[in-house]
Amino acid sequence: GENVEQHPSTLSVQEGDSAVIKCTYSDSASNYFPWYKQELGKRPQLIIDIRSNVGEKKDQRIAVTLNKTAKHFSLHITETQPEDSAVYFCAAFHGSSNTGKLIFGQGTTLQVKP
Amino acid sequence: EAGVVQSPRYKIIEKKQPVAFWCNPISGHNTLYWYRQNLGQGPELLIRYENEEAVDDSQLPKDRFSAERLKGVDSTLKIQPAELGDSAVYLCASSLISDGAFFGQGTRLTVV
Repeated sequence: GENVEQHPSTLSVQEGDSAVIKCTYSDSASNYFPWYKQELGKRPQLIIDIRSNVGEKKDQRIAVTLNKTAKHFSLHITETQPEDSAVYFCAAFHGSSNTGKLIFGQGTTLQVKP
Repeated sequence: EAGVVQSPRYKIIEKKQPVAFWCNPISGHNTLYWYRQNLGQGPELLIRYENEEAVDDSQLPKDRFSAERLKGVDSTLKIQPAELGDSAVYLCASSLISDGAFFGQGTRLTVV
């Protein structure tokens, strides 16, 4: 069935180090992959996304890569800062534009230690 | 531009009582989602609307949950009767078709 697996569930890094979060999806027809950041008690916020016709996208310290053959995509955060600490969710849009749906991974709790 | 607006922010009810949540999506967004998020987990899709049509409600527990989106704009999600296990944050999100979803603040439901 439709599924998005996310790893690791928790990640602790030292300030300044890089962090990588990985996700796999099940539907080969998926064509859109957003990433969300959720701080405690707040709503998920869209931070970056990538479409299936692109292999990599970068926005300042964050980047996302997509491997369609392997059906996995990753979030890369460089030069991490304490304010990057949050729960990060990947998602994949399964199905067609009109009838598809956005399915989320289980989340990764990132802790950046000062 | 106003974001997705949800109300109420918090709701505490006794089990077996009804409860309703309201959502006003971003103007122009045809797609509206209702998600449920339990503590420490990712958002779980309940229902997706394209305009006023529910295009995917396969995850909606239809024995007690119902939703509507009259005129393809605002939406309400209802639970009747509520059970203890329904305690969660209910998130509404809207988007353009197959695009990133923007979330509201959510309604934190506590069933006692």
